[in-house]
Amino acid sequence: EAGVAQSPRYKIIEKRQSVAFWCNPISGHATLYWYQQILGQGPKLLIQFQNNGVVDDSQLPKDRFSAERLKGVDSTLKIQPAKLEDSAVYLCASSTRDRVEDTQYFGPGTRLTVL
Amino acid sequence: AQSVTQLDSQVPVFEEAPVELRCNYSSSVSVYLFWYVQYPNQGLQLLLKYLSGSTLVKGINGFEAEFNKSQTSFHLRKPSVHISDTAEYFCAVSPGYSSASKIIFGSGTRLSIRP
Repeated sequence: EAGVAQSPRYKIIEKRQSVAFWCNPISGHATLYWYQQILGQGPKLLIQFQNNGVVDDSQLPKDRFSAERLKGVDSTLKIQPAKLEDSAVYLCASSTRDRVEDTQYFGPGTRLTVL
Repeated sequence: AQSVTQLDSQVPVFEEAPVELRCNYSSSVSVYLFWYVQYPNQGLQLLLKYLSGSTLVKGINGFEAEFNKSQTSFHLRKPSVHISDTAEYFCAVSPGYSSASKIIFGSGTRLSIRP
């Protein structure tokens, strides 16, 4: 079974530029998560989708971050414009359902450096 | 609100020695608890989880953890470590009043194994 796929793996941009990350979850997984992991910290949930609907985006900086999962499968996270403090690893995860007993499977992440 | 404290940011141990990674949580309600491992340049992988039942939880790769409600702890242990256990380990908590999957991560403990 294929795991969670993410691209690109690395991205370097100048501040005020825009960037987009892509995630393809495990086939059949209804729930998709985007996390931000700043160096030296644990992952922080940015947004959670159930199929193509948003379940939780309370920690998403909506003035610059946006995310979509239009067909309930793959997802895109965008930052526009980027700030220096957005430098982090962006992790995508998926699970079968939005249930605590269902394991979240993580992709390898996209490492973003903002100069 | 729930929070997790991982008391050690780094733990160096010799190969084949035992190890304990400490985790304490704060919550006014019951909780579910998790340990995840992140190998270099990879996403997070679930090691083990406590949802209910026996307070001693066994996970993959020979790891186990014990839920101690009175001390609000969920320490991770392994009797004999290998070089391949070199990774970052994250303790995480989810509120027990909800069946939903929101997880809050600690800041991580970097385990380094010396030959």
